[in-house]
Amino acid sequence: DQQVKQNSPSLSVQEGRISILNCDYTNSMFDYFLWYKKYPAEGPTFLISISSIKDKNEDGRFTVFLNKSAKHLSLHIVPSQPGDSAVYFCAASDNQAGTALIFGKGTTLSVSS
Amino acid sequence: DAGVIQSPRHEVTEMGQEVTLRCKPISGHDYLFWYRQTMMRGLELLIYFNNNVPIDDSGMPEDRFSAKMPNASFSTLKIQPSEPRDSAVYFCASSLGAHEQYFGPGTRLTVT
Repeated sequence: DQQVKQNSPSLSVQEGRISILNCDYTNSMFDYFLWYKKYPAEGPTFLISISSIKDKNEDGRFTVFLNKSAKHLSLHIVPSQPGDSAVYFCAASDNQAGTALIFGKGTTLSVSS
Repeated sequence: DAGVIQSPRHEVTEMGQEVTLRCKPISGHDYLFWYRQTMMRGLELLIYFNNNVPIDDSGMPEDRFSAKMPNASFSTLKIQPSEPRDSAVYFCASSLGAHEQYFGPGTRLTVT
């Protein structure tokens, strides 16, 4: 049973517009969430994270929103750039229990110029 | 820092052969993780170590898979005997604490 779900396998956006990637989780014990970006033939790279004590974290063009009641988080990229085209993975962990990250299956973002 | 180093980058082998994947974590990191990525199952955690000690190997698919971490700067993932369904990209990652993991470039394994 998938504890972290990314229900959209792909997303296409025009350059300059907002990209919104979504992630749902089922385990209410998860208290730390991360987004990773992956280019072809490379390993995933850490992008941004959020703790469950917050509902928003911003880093430049990237903002992660957390809705604990809905068990939902999203990554907003504004403005989107062609270089943002990659696979984005959502990940979650139970920090209190010290568990390892559980990853979603990823969403492929394509930004066209 | 050179980042997480994995070797080989590509491995093609025949069914039944032994395969050994290698990983050098980032110096000073105390956690090391092995993942497998396939189209069907996405990114799966196989096993992870803390201070060279295996903590959770529940993701290791079968007894054919084994992993070791003899010291803080080296780990291996071994498959013996290999099967075509083991074909995947295998990633090693390390972290200081269990959260923001740094991934290696991966080893693409093809078993024919």
